[in-house]
Amino acid sequence: QQQVKQSPQSLIVQKGGISIINCAYENTAFDYFPWYQQFPGKGPALLIAIRPDVSEKKEGRFTISFNKSAKQFSLHIMDSQPGDSATYFCAASRARAGGYQKVTFGTGTKLQVIP
Amino acid sequence: EAGVAQSPRYKIIEKRQSVAFWCNPISGHATLYWYQQILGQGPKLLIQFQNNGVVDDSQLPKDRFSAERLKGVDSTLKIQPAKLEDSAVYLCASRGQGVYEQYFGPGTRLTVT
Repeated sequence: QQQVKQSPQSLIVQKGGISIINCAYENTAFDYFPWYQQFPGKGPALLIAIRPDVSEKKEGRFTISFNKSAKQFSLHIMDSQPGDSATYFCAASRARAGGYQKVTFGTGTKLQVIP
Repeated sequence: EAGVAQSPRYKIIEKRQSVAFWCNPISGHATLYWYQQILGQGPKLLIQFQNNGVVDDSQLPKDRFSAERLKGVDSTLKIQPAKLEDSAVYLCASRGQGVYEQYFGPGTRLTVT
């Protein structure tokens, strides 16, 4: 019930195209859904995050769509650029009393944007 | 604001040897995490500290892994003795009080031969 399933495992998109990565979760107690971007040799960096009380959040070219009833959320990268080539992880977490927060990560999607 | 610092960045050891990793979180962040990231997988939580206390070490292989955060600031993660399957990137992350966002360090890439 703690799993977060992510797809696809890899994705190749033409420059200027839309990249779409999907995630699904089971635990309805999750209340925070971040996306992380990781370049080779670097730690994951927070890209964008959403709470379950909204259905969409947009920051620049990055949009999270959230479907609470289906327990699914997705990342859309508009006008994809070669610099977006990285591995993307979705995640889900639940905060509890005392500052405890456990984040469960998806398995990652390796995105390659070709010129 | 300085980010999460980790050292060393790379380490190669033979199996059965011991190794230690160091992490200095973002100043003022009470919560510190250690993750293990095996190649091609997402980070897996090993241990979470709140100040200098452990709040979750359920996935830490305690027969060989140990971690401490004595003064509630920096932390060390130790593996003794190392196994081949411990080859991974060890990530440290920190989080401020009352917020959700975790910030990761660059990681330490461990290779066990």
